[in-house]
Amino acid sequence: GNSVTQMEGPVTLSEEAFLTINCTYTATGYPSLFWYVQYPGEGLQLLLKATKADDKGSNKGFEATYRKETTSFHLEKGSVQVSDSAVYFCALTRRTNAGKSTFGDGTTLTVKP
Amino acid sequence: DTEVTQTPKHLVMGMTNKKSLKCEQHMGHRAMYWYKQKAKKPPELMFVYSYEKLSINESVPSRFSPECPNSSLLNLHLHALQPEDSALYLCASSQAGQGVRSYNSPLHFGNGTRLTVT
Repeated sequence: GNSVTQMEGPVTLSEEAFLTINCTYTATGYPSLFWYVQYPGEGLQLLLKATKADDKGSNKGFEATYRKETTSFHLEKGSVQVSDSAVYFCALTRRTNAGKSTFGDGTTLTVKP
Repeated sequence: DTEVTQTPKHLVMGMTNKKSLKCEQHMGHRAMYWYKQKAKKPPELMFVYSYEKLSINESVPSRFSPECPNSSLLNLHLHALQPEDSALYLCASSQAGQGVRSYNSPLHFGNGTRLTVT
Protein backbone atom coordinates (compact mmCIF):
# COMPACT_ATOMS: atom_id res chain seq x y z
CA GLY A 1 0.00 0.00 0.00
CA ASN A 2 0.90 3.66 -0.03
CA SER A 3 2.77 5.29 2.82
CA VAL A 4 4.49 8.55 3.69
CA THR A 5 7.22 8.80 6.30
CA GLN A 6 8.24 12.14 7.75
CA MET A 7 11.09 12.95 10.05
CA GLU A 8 9.99 12.86 13.63
CA GLY A 9 9.55 16.10 15.46
CA PRO A 10 9.27 18.33 17.15
CA VAL A 11 11.83 20.52 15.45
CA THR A 12 12.98 23.69 17.19
CA LEU A 13 15.04 26.28 15.35
CA SER A 14 16.21 29.81 15.90
CA GLU A 15 14.99 32.52 13.58
CA GLU A 16 16.92 32.70 10.27
CA ALA A 17 18.11 29.08 10.60
CA PHE A 18 17.96 26.65 7.67
CA LEU A 19 15.09 24.19 7.69
CA THR A 20 14.88 20.68 6.28
CA ILE A 21 11.97 18.35 6.95
CA ASN A 22 12.50 14.95 5.39
CA CYS A 23 9.72 13.09 3.61
CA THR A 24 9.96 9.74 1.85
CA TYR A 25 7.14 7.82 0.27
CA THR A 26 6.14 4.37 -0.89
CA ALA A 27 3.75 4.14 -3.80
CA THR A 28 3.56 2.46 -7.18
CA GLY A 29 3.55 4.54 -10.30
CA TYR A 30 3.92 8.29 -10.24
CA PRO A 31 2.00 9.87 -7.38
CA SER A 32 1.45 13.59 -6.96
CA LEU A 33 3.20 14.95 -3.88
CA PHE A 34 2.11 17.75 -1.59
CA TRP A 35 3.21 19.67 1.47
CA TYR A 36 0.46 21.07 3.66
CA VAL A 37 0.89 23.38 6.64
CA GLN A 38 -1.42 23.69 9.62
CA TYR A 39 -1.14 26.77 11.80
CA PRO A 40 -2.54 26.66 15.34
CA GLY A 41 -6.34 26.70 15.38
CA GLU A 42 -6.65 26.37 11.62
CA GLY A 43 -7.19 23.74 8.97
CA LEU A 44 -4.51 22.49 6.62
CA GLN A 45 -3.50 24.63 3.69
CA LEU A 46 -1.49 23.74 0.65
CA LEU A 47 2.10 24.93 0.86
CA LEU A 48 3.43 23.49 -2.41
CA LYS A 49 3.09 20.53 -4.73
CA ALA A 50 4.89 18.59 -7.45
CA THR A 51 3.22 16.27 -9.91
CA LYS A 52 6.08 14.57 -11.74
CA ALA A 53 9.66 13.51 -11.22
CA ASP A 54 12.23 16.34 -10.92
CA ASP A 55 9.51 18.96 -10.51
CA LYS A 56 10.27 21.56 -7.88
CA GLY A 57 7.42 23.08 -5.92
CA SER A 58 7.98 26.42 -4.22
CA ASN A 59 5.99 28.92 -2.19
CA LYS A 60 6.71 31.53 0.50
CA GLY A 61 10.44 30.66 0.45
CA PHE A 62 9.79 26.93 0.89
CA GLU A 63 10.94 24.45 -1.74
CA ALA A 64 10.71 20.71 -2.33
CA THR A 65 11.89 18.60 -5.27
CA TYR A 66 10.19 15.38 -6.40
CA ARG A 67 12.98 12.79 -6.44
CA LYS A 68 11.81 9.56 -8.01
CA GLU A 69 15.14 7.78 -7.57
CA THR A 70 15.12 8.28 -3.80
CA THR A 71 11.30 8.43 -3.44
CA SER A 72 11.68 11.65 -1.49
CA PHE A 73 10.12 15.11 -1.29
CA HIS A 74 12.09 16.94 1.37
CA LEU A 75 10.90 20.40 2.43
CA GLU A 76 13.51 23.17 2.74
CA LYS A 77 13.62 26.84 3.62
CA GLY A 78 16.74 28.93 3.77
CA SER A 79 15.78 31.25 6.62
CA VAL A 80 12.82 30.48 8.88
CA GLN A 81 10.74 33.04 10.72
CA VAL A 82 8.76 32.83 13.93
CA SER A 83 5.61 32.92 11.80
CA ASP A 84 6.62 29.60 10.20
CA SER A 85 5.88 27.80 13.46
CA ALA A 86 3.26 25.21 12.52
CA VAL A 87 2.71 21.53 11.78
CA TYR A 88 3.85 20.38 8.35
CA PHE A 89 2.31 17.36 6.58
CA CYS A 90 3.71 15.58 3.56
CA ALA A 91 1.08 13.81 1.45
CA LEU A 92 0.65 11.87 -1.77
CA THR A 93 -2.20 11.07 -4.12
CA ARG A 94 -2.16 8.40 -6.78
CA ARG A 95 -3.92 8.56 -10.12
CA THR A 96 -5.94 5.49 -9.20
CA ASN A 97 -7.97 5.85 -6.04
CA ALA A 98 -7.43 9.60 -6.23
CA GLY A 99 -10.16 10.33 -3.70
CA LYS A 100 -7.81 9.20 -0.93
CA SER A 101 -4.71 11.10 0.06
CA THR A 102 -2.02 9.47 2.17
CA PHE A 103 -0.60 11.77 4.84
CA GLY A 104 2.57 11.56 6.85
CA ASP A 105 2.32 11.88 10.63
CA GLY A 106 3.23 15.57 10.57
CA THR A 107 6.25 17.45 11.87
CA THR A 108 5.83 20.24 14.41
CA LEU A 109 8.15 23.17 13.84
CA THR A 110 8.78 25.82 16.47
CA VAL A 111 10.89 28.84 15.55
CA LYS A 112 12.25 30.92 18.41
CA PRO A 113 13.23 34.58 18.10
CA ASP B 1 -8.89 33.69 4.44
CA THR B 2 -10.04 30.16 3.78
CA GLU B 3 -12.35 29.60 0.82
CA VAL B 4 -14.03 26.68 2.55
CA THR B 5 -16.29 27.84 5.36
CA GLN B 6 -17.28 25.58 8.22
CA THR B 7 -19.85 26.21 10.93
CA PRO B 8 -19.95 26.12 13.84
CA LYS B 9 -16.35 26.67 14.90
CA HIS B 10 -16.94 24.94 18.22
CA LEU B 11 -19.62 22.47 19.31
CA VAL B 12 -20.25 20.78 22.62
CA MET B 13 -22.87 18.06 22.61
CA GLY B 14 -24.11 15.33 24.87
CA MET B 15 -24.25 11.71 23.86
CA THR B 16 -28.01 11.86 23.27
CA ASN B 17 -27.99 15.03 21.17
CA LYS B 18 -28.44 15.42 17.44
CA LYS B 19 -26.40 18.13 15.75
CA SER B 20 -25.11 18.99 12.29
CA LEU B 21 -21.85 20.37 10.94
CA LYS B 22 -22.00 22.51 7.84
CA CYS B 23 -19.49 23.23 5.10
CA GLU B 24 -19.72 25.56 2.12
CA GLN B 25 -17.40 26.29 -0.80
CA HIS B 26 -17.81 28.49 -3.86
CA MET B 27 -14.74 27.48 -5.86
CA GLY B 28 -16.74 25.30 -8.22
CA HIS B 29 -15.16 22.15 -6.83
CA ARG B 30 -17.18 18.99 -7.40
CA ALA B 31 -15.36 16.77 -4.89
CA MET B 32 -15.97 17.36 -1.18
CA TYR B 33 -14.62 15.54 1.85
CA TRP B 34 -15.04 15.06 5.58
CA TYR B 35 -11.96 14.37 7.65
CA LYS B 36 -11.52 13.75 11.36
CA GLN B 37 -8.36 14.96 13.06
CA LYS B 38 -7.22 14.07 16.54
CA ALA B 39 -4.63 16.20 18.32
CA LYS B 40 -1.12 15.92 16.89
CA LYS B 41 -2.27 13.44 14.23
CA PRO B 42 -2.84 13.68 10.48
CA PRO B 43 -6.41 14.01 9.21
CA GLU B 44 -8.28 10.72 8.68
CA LEU B 45 -10.64 10.46 5.74
CA MET B 46 -14.29 9.76 6.57
CA PHE B 47 -16.35 10.46 3.44
CA VAL B 48 -15.91 11.69 -0.11
CA TYR B 49 -18.60 13.10 -2.37
CA SER B 50 -18.01 13.45 -6.07
CA TYR B 51 -20.58 15.27 -8.19
CA GLU B 52 -22.93 15.22 -5.19
CA LYS B 53 -22.81 11.43 -4.91
CA LEU B 54 -21.21 9.55 -2.05
CA SER B 55 -18.11 7.92 -3.53
CA ILE B 56 -16.13 6.83 -0.49
CA ASN B 57 -17.22 5.85 3.01
CA GLU B 58 -14.25 4.76 5.09
CA SER B 59 -16.33 2.38 7.22
CA VAL B 60 -17.49 5.24 9.39
CA PRO B 61 -20.00 4.36 12.17
CA SER B 62 -23.61 5.13 11.29
CA ARG B 63 -23.84 7.74 14.04
CA PHE B 64 -22.13 9.98 11.44
CA SER B 65 -24.38 10.67 8.46
CA PRO B 66 -23.14 12.81 5.57
CA GLU B 67 -25.29 14.77 3.16
CA CYS B 68 -24.48 16.78 0.06
CA PRO B 69 -27.55 18.91 -0.80
CA ASN B 70 -25.84 20.62 -3.77
CA SER B 71 -22.43 21.19 -5.29
CA SER B 72 -21.53 23.92 -2.78
CA LEU B 73 -22.76 22.44 0.48
CA LEU B 74 -21.77 19.49 2.60
CA ASN B 75 -23.31 18.51 5.92
CA LEU B 76 -22.37 15.99 8.57
CA HIS B 77 -25.24 14.89 10.81
CA LEU B 78 -24.27 13.65 14.25
CA HIS B 79 -26.34 11.45 16.53
CA ALA B 80 -25.58 9.44 19.67
CA LEU B 81 -21.89 10.21 19.58
CA GLN B 82 -19.35 8.87 22.03
CA PRO B 83 -16.72 10.85 23.95
CA GLU B 84 -14.01 9.31 21.76
CA ASP B 85 -15.61 11.08 18.79
CA SER B 86 -14.34 14.38 20.18
CA ALA B 87 -11.98 15.79 17.57
CA LEU B 88 -11.50 18.49 14.95
CA TYR B 89 -13.74 17.81 11.95
CA LEU B 90 -12.39 19.21 8.73
CA CYS B 91 -14.21 19.74 5.48
CA ALA B 92 -12.23 19.92 2.25
CA SER B 93 -12.89 20.32 -1.45
CA SER B 94 -10.97 19.76 -4.66
CA GLN B 95 -11.43 19.62 -8.39
CA ALA B 96 -13.03 16.38 -9.47
CA GLY B 97 -11.55 14.38 -12.35
CA GLN B 98 -12.69 11.43 -14.38
CA GLY B 99 -12.82 9.44 -11.19
CA VAL B 100 -13.49 10.80 -7.79
CA ARG B 101 -10.94 13.55 -8.03
CA SER B 102 -8.28 15.04 -10.21
CA TYR B 103 -5.25 13.51 -8.54
CA ASN B 104 -3.08 16.55 -9.23
CA SER B 105 -5.56 18.81 -7.53
CA PRO B 106 -4.78 19.79 -3.94
CA LEU B 107 -7.26 19.67 -1.11
CA HIS B 108 -8.68 22.98 0.12
CA PHE B 109 -9.53 22.73 3.80
CA GLY B 110 -11.79 24.73 6.04
CA ASN B 111 -10.71 25.69 9.54
CA GLY B 112 -12.74 22.92 11.05
CA THR B 113 -15.30 22.40 13.79
CA ARG B 114 -13.88 21.56 17.19
CA LEU B 115 -16.32 18.97 18.55
CA THR B 116 -16.50 17.94 22.20
CA VAL B 117 -18.80 15.10 23.22
CA THR B 118 -19.67 15.03 26.90
